[in-house]
Amino acid sequence: EVQLLESGGGFVQPGGSLRLSCAASGFTFSDYAMSWVRQAPGKGLEWVSGISGNGGSIYYADSVKGRFTISRDKSRKTLFLQMNSLRDDDTAVYYCAKDTGVMVATIGNDWGQGTQVIVSS
Amino acid sequence: QSALTQPASVSGSPGQSITISCTGTSSDVGNYNLVSWYQHHPGKAPKLIVYEGTKRPSGVSNRFSGSKSGNTASLTISGLQAEDEADYYCCSYASTRTWVFGGGTKLTVL
Repeated sequence: EVQLLESGGGFVQPGGSLRLSCAASGFTFSDYAMSWVRQAPGKGLEWVSGISGNGGSIYYADSVKGRFTISRDKSRKTLFLQMNSLRDDDTAVYYCAKDTGVMVATIGNDWGQGTQVIVSS
Repeated sequence: QSALTQPASVSGSPGQSITISCTGTSSDVGNYNLVSWYQHHPGKAPKLIVYEGTKRPSGVSNRFSGSKSGNTASLTISGLQAEDEADYYCCSYASTRTWVFGGGTKLTVL
């Protein structure tokens, strides 16, 4: 059974940093692309970033480019999102999502339960 | 990177069929066969119900079906059931090497 468990969310002031983690199990981690998707309070889903199975292809939404960095650790079967220069509008539930294949194509064949990030002064 | 356009809400009675539209542009929906649909019950993880425009993941009911015409993708739910009441989102790959979601549609089963 595929399991994705996010952690690292919390409360941070504007301009601060957080590092989200997503521990994966139940599948061969390097065989699948992964993404982060977020949902701000009262808003819809927003794709944030994606990374291919071998980490060689990385993509970002314009809203986070230059501030967020996605990475993955094959040995730890863990996906990361380093978030710097956080802004109020980064407040959201952040979901980790597993793709259908090794390249980022279909976001979210499987999803974690999400981790809450609150950016506020 | 504009969001895809979905109706804010749709409704139907049990047993009926409903269709949710998802309108994009020739830079996303119209140019790629990478449209997916998700069911999201608030407070729970989203669930993939259609991918690559028309395909259903294993275990997803055949009451859910996807289609596309030009720059508009559609999700049809037939034989509406109470448990179908949820938010539905479309998503497409875009030529800017990004993925864009629709604004979401709230389905109410009357």
